[in-house]
Amino acid sequence: AQRVTQPEKLLSVFKGAPVELKCNYSYSGSPELFWYVQYSRQRLQLLLRHISRESIKGFTADLNKGETSFHLKKPFAQEEDSAMYYCALREETSGSRLTFGEGTQLTVNP
Amino acid sequence: DAGITQSPRHKVTETGTPVTLRCHQTENHRYMYWYRQDPGHGLRLIHYSYGVKDTDKGEVSDGYSVSRSKTEDFLLTLESATSSQTSVYFCAISDWRATGELFFGEGSRLTVL
Repeated sequence: AQRVTQPEKLLSVFKGAPVELKCNYSYSGSPELFWYVQYSRQRLQLLLRHISRESIKGFTADLNKGETSFHLKKPFAQEEDSAMYYCALREETSGSRLTFGEGTQLTVNP
Repeated sequence: DAGITQSPRHKVTETGTPVTLRCHQTENHRYMYWYRQDPGHGLRLIHYSYGVKDTDKGEVSDGYSVSRSKTEDFLLTLESATSSQTSVYFCAISDWRATGELFFGEGSRLTVL
């Protein structure tokens, strides 16, 4: 069965510092990976997906199939990046059913 | 925000009582999902629907049932609530393209005493 692991429940950095939120997955097929974000008092929403290879709000994530990882990175963290981040995996034949990781609460301190 | 609302937003109930949570969408999206959010577990899929009267189980479906009699409504029922079902429940929707982009409701916080 597929599995998504986010090893850090809590991550705290200072404003302007680089940040990396780790995500590892186990899946035998060809997965699609996503990052979702939940800001305080807002709904959970899609941040980015690996197939788009895009940068959203300064965040990027590269799918590394060799290491089965999809880490989320930003070179200079901002206070407004403070939120709960979830990594998610979609199987090839699962439609939009996603398997989520445990989540990482990011706090960016001034 | 996508037109998706959940009700009730907060509920406190006692062990053994039935509970129904409602998810209503105005987007006419095909797929609807119920997830529960728990610390240390992230979001886990309870049930999902791929059309009217078409539903299937997720990874944590025991103790839950669902119904979808109309495109816009997806009901989650706890037949006999237990304390382990204390959680925040999220409804999500996605369109026919099934791209993996889900639109979430605001969540329903359920406490079972």
